[in-house]
Amino acid sequence: EVHLLQSGGDLVQPGGSLRLSCGGSGFTFSSHDMSWVRQAPGQGLEWVAITVGGGGGFYYGDSVKGRFTVSRDNSRNTLYLQMNSLRVEDTATYYCAKKIGYGYALDSWGQGTLVIVSS
Amino acid sequence: DIQMTQSPSTLSASVGDRVIITCRASENINTWLAWYQQKPGKAPKLLIYKASTLESGVPSGFSGSGSGTDFTLTISSLQPDDFATYFCQQYNNYPWTFGQGTRVDVK
Repeated sequence: EVHLLQSGGDLVQPGGSLRLSCGGSGFTFSSHDMSWVRQAPGQGLEWVAITVGGGGGFYYGDSVKGRFTVSRDNSRNTLYLQMNSLRVEDTATYYCAKKIGYGYALDSWGQGTLVIVSS
Repeated sequence: DIQMTQSPSTLSASVGDRVIITCRASENINTWLAWYQQKPGKAPKLLIYKASTLESGVPSGFSGSGSGTDFTLTISSLQPDDFATYFCQQYNNYPWTFGQGTRVDVK
C-alpha cells in the first residue's frame, strides 16, 4: 500500500526558515515525480514545486521561486521542501504528493502538515 | 501562467441529482487536466486524469470530458459521500495551476 508520511510543520517567524519532509513507502520512490501543494486556511489549492523522477529536474510556482527548494533523497525514500525567507502569506497546510510519470496526475497524497508564519 | 476557472463556485444539490462542474483553461492544455475531490480536513483525492480517465477505485458515477480549453466533471447520480469540494488542475505547463474549487453542498 502506498503511504506518504509528512513531518516538519511548525510556527515560524517572518523571515525564518523551515524544512518539511515526506517519506514514501509502498512504491518505487526514485522513479516517481514528487510534488508539493499547499492550501492556505479556507482557500483553494496552490501548486508549489515538483522534482521529476529519474533526475528530470525541478520546477517551482511563481510565489515561491527563489525562496523554496525542493529536493529528494532516493536512498531514504524522502522528499524535502526547504523554505527560506518565509512570509505571512506562506501560512498553509502543505501536502506532498506523487505522480507515476508523464501523462499522469497526483495520485497519492500525504496527510498534510501545517506551517504558520507569524510574529 | 495558465488560469483555470471553475463554475459554479458553489452548487446545492440533492442525493440522486446529476451534477456538472465546468473548468475552463486560459489557453490550450490538450487533455492534461485532472479532477480532485477534497473533504474538510483531508488531503485531496484524485478522481480523473488526462481529462477523462477514471482513477483506479473511483466510482463509475464520476466521469470527465473535454479537451483544449473546456472541460467538465459529471457526477451521474449524487451520493451522500460525494458532498465535497472539487478542484480541476492543469498539468500541461509549469507552473501547474488549480481552479478555485467548486463546493457541492446539500440543497
